[in-house]
Order: sequence, then C-alpha cells, then structure tokens
Amino acid sequence: GAGVSQSPSNKVTEKGKDVELRCDPISGHTALYWYRQSLGQGLEFLIYFQGNSAPDKSGLPSDRFSAERTGGSVSTLTIQRTQQEDSAVYLCASSATTSTDTQYFGPGTRLTVL
Amino acid sequence: EDQVTQSPEALRLQEGESSSLNCSYTVSGLRGLFWYRQDPGKGPEFLFTLYSAGEEKEKERLKATLTKKESFLHITAPKPEDSATYLCAVGILTGGGNKLTFGTGTQLKVEL
Repeated sequence: GAGVSQSPSNKVTEKGKDVELRCDPISGHTALYWYRQSLGQGLEFLIYFQGNSAPDKSGLPSDRFSAERTGGSVSTLTIQRTQQEDSAVYLCASSATTSTDTQYFGPGTRLTVL
Repeated sequence: EDQVTQSPEALRLQEGESSSLNCSYTVSGLRGLFWYRQDPGKGPEFLFTLYSAGEEKEKERLKATLTKKESFLHITAPKPEDSATYLCAVGILTGGGNKLTFGTGTQLKVEL
C-alpha cells in the first residue's frame, strides 16, 4: 500500500518568508509525528498528533513553528519568518495507533533558507 | 536527560566481513528501542523494535539485540547493498504517544 508522502520534496526560500510543508500519513494511521534532521545531527522530535487530542508541541524550537492536522489525516507544518538555521530535512512519520509503536517515515522535505 | 549514543560514527567493511554497531542509551520510561536504515536522500526505513532486555530479532543478514543499557546491530556477511546509515532510537512516552529520540547514526560502507 501507499506509504507516507510529503510535499514538496525540496523547498528553497528566502530568509524571512513563510513556508508550508505537507504530510499525508498512511491511510488509517491515527498518530502523526514531525521530526527535523539537521546536517550532522540526529533526528529531532518536533510535534505529535493523535486523533482529536491536543497535540504535543514540546519539541517545537520556537513560536515561529506551528502545525495542524485537518480531519485526522493530512498535516501541515508552517514555519514563519524563516531563518537560515531552519535549513534541514523535515520528516513526517505515522503509526497505526498510539499503542502501535512502529513509526513509518516519509521521504522528507529538504528546506533551504537562503 | 534522555540520551542515545551510537558508535562507531562510520564503518567500512569488506563484503563478507561481519561486524556490529552499538547503540547505548540512558532514558527513563523506555518504550521500545528502534533500528532504522536510512539511504541518502530518503526517509528512515524501519528495521526492528526491541522492548525488553534479552530480546533478539533477525532479518536477513541483520540481527538486533538488547540489554538494559545498549543495543547491538550485528551484520553477518554484509553485501554492498547493506551500505547505508543505521539509526538507533528510543521511544519515550509522551501524552499517549511515543516520541523517538535518535542517535546520530552509524554510516556503513560495504566494499567489494
């Protein structure tokens, strides 16, 4: 079946612009996670959604970052007033339920802030 | 503070030369130890989940083991197609979810 998809695959933007990154989880998966992978660093947790519950935003690095999940499916990560340090690969993962621990990752969006 | 450390950072093997990758961790509330494989320009691909000390799982040339403080990924008779970055992560309960804390990975290169 179809895996997690993300778009765009690459995004180049200018410092100060806003960007939106999209994630389509595996159909039927209720849990959705966003991570960031910076050069030379491990993947870093950003935010977690589960059904209609309030998201866990504990990993968001600043208030310029926000995310939403509409209809319990597609999620959008928004970065406002982008900075050069936001350049990274943004990865989305989904899992079937909270009790099913395996997270399946999408291909990522490579963000470059000039 | 939750920490995951992988070693070595990079490993070069000849085809057929077996070896092991290490993942040591300190975490409270462990909810699984995960191994992923990541190829350049792609997202991590799930390999194994281990939950309790003494547990072992195998898949083709790979075998993962877990103790209370570390996990090993054993690669037996590797082939060039096993070349990738291998990531270790620990799952930590977060409001009902399972936040993963990753190590920085071991970059494996298998040569003919």
